[in-house]
Amino acid sequence: KNEVEQSPQNLTAQEGEFITINCSYSVGISALHWLQQHPGGGIVSLFMLSSGKKKHGRLIATINIQEKHSSLHITASHPRDSAVYICAVYFGNEKLTFGTGTRLTIIP
Amino acid sequence: NAGVMQNPRHLVRRRGQEARLRCSPMKGHSHVYWYRQLPEEGLKFMVYLQKENIIDESGMPKERFSAEFPKEGPSILRIQQVVRGDSAAYFCASSPRGQNTDTQYFGPGTRLTVL
Repeated sequence: KNEVEQSPQNLTAQEGEFITINCSYSVGISALHWLQQHPGGGIVSLFMLSSGKKKHGRLIATINIQEKHSSLHITASHPRDSAVYICAVYFGNEKLTFGTGTRLTIIP
Repeated sequence: NAGVMQNPRHLVRRRGQEARLRCSPMKGHSHVYWYRQLPEEGLKFMVYLQKENIIDESGMPKERFSAEFPKEGPSILRIQQVVRGDSAAYFCASSPRGQNTDTQYFGPGTRLTVL
């Protein structure tokens, strides 16, 4: 069965801390998205990657194809990073399968 | 360069009424996806369309739900005879080529409330 699991489900941290959110999937994939869902509900695509590592500002995404695992890191976290972060994968076709999300809260 | 647009942003319907949700993809994108997010649950794929074609509707409930993406105009997700369990946020996304290496760009969503 094609499944996507994220951990942790909830994460609270102090401003400035280094954040790591994990995503594991059950079978081989063609690509993986990291999405951010704001408290107001809007969804923004942060990264799409199929191998290696990508960086954008304070955000870093990595993927290990052999271990079927991806991580999203946030350096120097800020209260405006508070959101739900969602991992979504393509299991070889055109439709995304989503993890249940990680709710991140950054306390000033 | 407008992003993906959805309207209405909020829709209230009584049980038994019809709901029509609209999605205009980004300029130049001819592939549209609809997703549903039930309260306190994750996003779930519903349907994938290209202009005038349904490519994959494996996530659509068998009854009352339909989707179209005509040659001209927005994609429409139609829910007939709505029930309380249809209350959810419905998101559409678009991509330029529909390939699984494409980034999908999401709209702001339509929040449907069924009374």
